[in-house]
Amino acid sequence: AQSVTQLGSHVSVSEGALVLLRCNYSSSVPPYLFWYVQYPNQGLQLLLKYTTGATLVKGINGFEAEFKKSETSFHLTKPSAHMSDAAEYFCAVSEFGGSYIPTFGRGTSLIVHP
Amino acid sequence: ETGVTQTPRHLVMGMTNKKSLKCEQHLGHNAMYWYKQSAKKPLELMFVYNFKEQTENNSVPSRFSPECPNSSHLFLHLHTLQPEDSALYLCASSQALIVGGDNEQFFGPGTRLTVL
Repeated sequence: AQSVTQLGSHVSVSEGALVLLRCNYSSSVPPYLFWYVQYPNQGLQLLLKYTTGATLVKGINGFEAEFKKSETSFHLTKPSAHMSDAAEYFCAVSEFGGSYIPTFGRGTSLIVHP
Repeated sequence: ETGVTQTPRHLVMGMTNKKSLKCEQHLGHNAMYWYKQSAKKPLELMFVYNFKEQTENNSVPSRFSPECPNSSHLFLHLHTLQPEDSALYLCASSQALIVGGDNEQFFGPGTRLTVL
């Protein structure tokens, strides 16, 4: 069975500061891992995904995430926060050869202060 | 229209009303999904359709009734809902059922449902 834990329902940063959103997963088989962003009154938009190969994945809007198998983590980072990054972020996992539909975390609200 | 569209965007209904949510995808995808999004809870998968056939019903109460007349359209018929059913209902689609690799889900903007 697959599951996702996002630590921290809210993360607050200053504009220009490092963004770190944490995601830990459990999966019995090799996972596919995803980060989605949801802006107010919109649906989810894929930021980036890990399937196979390089463990450092780059996505849109300057975000990246690193798959660490030993830590079962897929944390999302951005070197310098922008006001427009304020949104809800969701981590998700699906299992290659297992449950093929992603399981989502509870989400983390990113608040960016000027 | 491009991507995944949902109508209406907002809906307020009484507990005895019957209403329907509509989702349309313009991506040529074969799989479509209904999700329920409640505040600070994980997205809850409700139903999955693949080539118009239902493949998942995630123990959803019968007051929610899905319909998929073709691969481009998905409906969610609502009847005698409860206040706890108030949530954002998201529709998504993907080319194939196995999400991963080159196959990703595309989400619509959702319908904000309020049950009085």
